[in-house]
Amino acid sequence: LAKTTQPISMDSYEGQEVNITCSHNNIATNDYITWYQQFPSQGPRFIIQGYKTKVTNEVASLFIPADRKSSTLSLPRVSLSDTAVYYCLVVGQAGNMLTFGGGTRLMVKP
Amino acid sequence: NAGVTQTPKFQVLKTGQSMTLQCAQDMNHEYMSWYRQDPGMGLRLIHYSVGAGITDQGEVPNGYNVSRSTTEDFPLRLLSAAPSQTSVYFCASRNPLAYEQYFGPGTRLTVT
Repeated sequence: LAKTTQPISMDSYEGQEVNITCSHNNIATNDYITWYQQFPSQGPRFIIQGYKTKVTNEVASLFIPADRKSSTLSLPRVSLSDTAVYYCLVVGQAGNMLTFGGGTRLMVKP
Repeated sequence: NAGVTQTPKFQVLKTGQSMTLQCAQDMNHEYMSWYRQDPGMGLRLIHYSVGAGITDQGEVPNGYNVSRSTTEDFPLRLLSAAPSQTSVYFCASRNPLAYEQYFGPGTRLTVT
């Protein structure tokens, strides 16, 4: 099973770019990498997914190196409302739902 | 679309009681999962299902049962509640052709 490791917490200031890295050394060939955001008392919300190289959407970018053993979620110009816990999750085929890691608690300060 | 719905939102049980947490989705997703989240912790997978009639265990299945008689519903049963099962429970669903999971609002369970 591809277990994930993330920093426990990060601090940033409004307007800065934030990069959160996730390690998934045992990722399988057909696994995808997904990232979620969770606010207190809410369920996680999907942000982005990727398989390799770089993926960008209106919310974030996801960078995945060639060996796919890690991934980096990049949040451009964060605001106070980006304060949340961010989880990476490796998802395999055939409904192989893997457990979330501990997540990274991002605190954005004014 | 209502998405993923969960009932009840809050529940208090006494040790030894049983109950069922309800989860329903209206997106025709084949895959559904149950997670628990303890205070300040990440989500842990309890059980999951890849389609009606098919279920499998996740990381922390002990003390819980599931069934999947329809595509829409995936109830989670606590057989004999214990204080260690005090947690927030999230249900999620996804299309097997995609990797995005949709989560419900959660059920906050307290066992005294």
